[in-house]
Amino acid sequence: SAVISQKPSRDICQRGTSLTIQCQVDSQVTMMFWYRQQPGQSLTLIATANQGSEATYESGFVIDKFPISRPNLTFSTLTVSNMSPEDSSIYLCSVRTGGAGRGNYGYTFGSGTRLTVV
Amino acid sequence: AQTVTQSQPEMSVQEAETVTLSCTYDTSESDYYLFWYKQPPSRQMILVIRQEAYKQQNATENRFSVNFQKAAKSFSLKISDSQLGDAAMYFCAYRSYGGATNKLIFGTGTLLAVQP
Repeated sequence: SAVISQKPSRDICQRGTSLTIQCQVDSQVTMMFWYRQQPGQSLTLIATANQGSEATYESGFVIDKFPISRPNLTFSTLTVSNMSPEDSSIYLCSVRTGGAGRGNYGYTFGSGTRLTVV
Repeated sequence: AQTVTQSQPEMSVQEAETVTLSCTYDTSESDYYLFWYKQPPSRQMILVIRQEAYKQQNATENRFSVNFQKAAKSFSLKISDSQLGDAAMYFCAYRSYGGATNKLIFGTGTLLAVQP
């Protein structure tokens, strides 16, 4: 399965600033997913990033706040803009792995970025 | 819209014993995938087991097995011979089969403690 390198692993940021999180995959993937996990909560999908097209955002998430880039099939970034303490969360990227065939796929996750906004 | 419910926020088990984590889901679809993921304190999401809805046979992976009841929309995880390394947050997740969406829908998680 794919291996994802996610950076940074953690950061403490001042409110009003922005942070860009990077995910590098060791193989080409069509879709990459960005999730937010608020403290003690489950994972919520922010957006799906397809190479060569605009990211698709879930309800409650907007491009101005969470711009995403997907310049190629192995890399994506998520920016958390104009941060406030409410943005303090773990952010995870994920890719679908496995080839054709119903039983061959799953989802691999990066190790997450723990963001604290002060 | 599909939803996933995990009714046990926390569970505890003695080392070497068996524990069952519950998961129910709501969907109008007939074909889908179900997953159990483990998230230890390292934050890494680790796939524990996967079940395809069209398969009647319950999936097993070593000490991990599921009880998939499609009619009841239930997907519980059984961990046998529990080990200290099994302590983690466990998430149940749903994914539609086919269509334009590839996203996983997660439950709220169950925090499993393993007592020595």
